[in-house]
Amino acid sequence: SQTIHQWPATLVQPVGSPLSLECTVEGTSNPNLYWYRQAAGRGLQLLFYSVGIGQISSEVPQNLSASRPQDRQFILSSKKLLLSDSGFYLCAWSVTGASGANVLTFGAGSRLTVL
Amino acid sequence: GQQVMQIPQYQHVQEGEDFTTYCNSSTTLSNIQWYKQRPGGHPVFLIQLVKSGEVKKQKRLTFQFGEAKKNSSLHITATQTTDVGTYFCAGYSSASKIIFGSGTRLSIRP
Repeated sequence: SQTIHQWPATLVQPVGSPLSLECTVEGTSNPNLYWYRQAAGRGLQLLFYSVGIGQISSEVPQNLSASRPQDRQFILSSKKLLLSDSGFYLCAWSVTGASGANVLTFGAGSRLTVL
Repeated sequence: GQQVMQIPQYQHVQEGEDFTTYCNSSTTLSNIQWYKQRPGGHPVFLIQLVKSGEVKKQKRLTFQFGEAKKNSSLHITATQTTDVGTYFCAGYSSASKIIFGSGTRLSIRP
């Protein structure tokens, strides 16, 4: 069966420090991979999605970047964190079905607090 | 760009009352999905609607997809405390891009 791992689960970082959140998927090949951010009590904002190795689509201009060095690995990074980067970061995967639709399976999330 | 709007933002009901959340997209959708996020948890897929005018039921939950494929609703009959959480619709238009609505947070008085 497929599983998705996301880490770290919680982190507290000072403003201006770097960030690296990692997500890996097991049990499937060539998944679509996603990074979403959820501010406290708010909705899910799509940050990046990837349909293959090295293929990254960015949805929102910001100081974050994403990379997909391997088929089932998706990394979210920042060189210098801002206060506004605080939030709940969710990685998700999907596989395009026969009808062309995607159903997302989410990781447990990484809760980032920038101080 | 594509926007998916959801109302209401919050709904507080007495246990046993019904609950409805509405979702509207600025563009026509290939399909619409619904997810539930329990407090402190991550979103979990509930259902997907693909056809214009489609209606699906899961026990006390009824999902509808509008004729124009631009709106959808989720109705819960006789809410229970286990229904607490935030319900999101998500629109899938093309190119594997899935946009979420702002969510409706449901709280229930026992």
